[in-house]
Amino acid sequence: EDKVVQSPLSLVVHEGDTVTLNCSYEVTNFRSLLWYKQEKKAPTFLFMLTSSGIEKKSGRLSSILDKKELFSILNITATQTGDSAVYLCAVPAGGSNYKLTFGKGTLLTVNP
Amino acid sequence: NAGVTQTPKFQVLKTGQSMTLQCAQDMNHNSMYWYRQDPGMGLRLIYYSASEGTTDKGEVPNGYNVSRLNKREFSLRLESAAPSQTSVYFCASSDPDWYRGAYEQYFGPGTRLTVT
Repeated sequence: EDKVVQSPLSLVVHEGDTVTLNCSYEVTNFRSLLWYKQEKKAPTFLFMLTSSGIEKKSGRLSSILDKKELFSILNITATQTGDSAVYLCAVPAGGSNYKLTFGKGTLLTVNP
Repeated sequence: NAGVTQTPKFQVLKTGQSMTLQCAQDMNHNSMYWYRQDPGMGLRLIYYSASEGTTDKGEVPNGYNVSRLNKREFSLRLESAAPSQTSVYFCASSDPDWYRGAYEQYFGPGTRLTVT
């Protein structure tokens, strides 16, 4: 059975801190890993990672994949209160082009 | 582009009542999905439609039915609501590209449903 485990489950930091969120996975026929940010409403897509060692970057957010050790990290530098959200990691389920297996998420709280 | 839209935003039902949640997307995506999200359980797939004319069960299909009305619209029906169906429901759409490894899904704003 496919599995996605995120850590930590929750994290509280101060504005300006740098945070690292972790996602480990077990899936047959790995194809890609996805990161989402969920504030009060719908998850919004952040990154798709398919290759090991290639960093994806968007502003203060960056992510990298390690296909040998089966994990990904999401880094946020110089955090702001607007970064407070649940960050979700997902992988396409083995054998399906349509199903995503989601982790339970990391709740990030950034205090002023 | 509105992306993925859902109606209604909020709904309260009594046990045994029925209702239909509506979803539409304007991204010309082939695939559409219904999820529910509960505290501590994460996002769970209820049903999906790989393409117009097809629907398939996801992880938690019991108590639900779906209709893929056309390429744009995908509805979720609760025939006889139960308190266990109290949840936030999200619709999503995607255009999976196995060659690029692109499987990202785009979500609607959600419907908060309470069954009393």
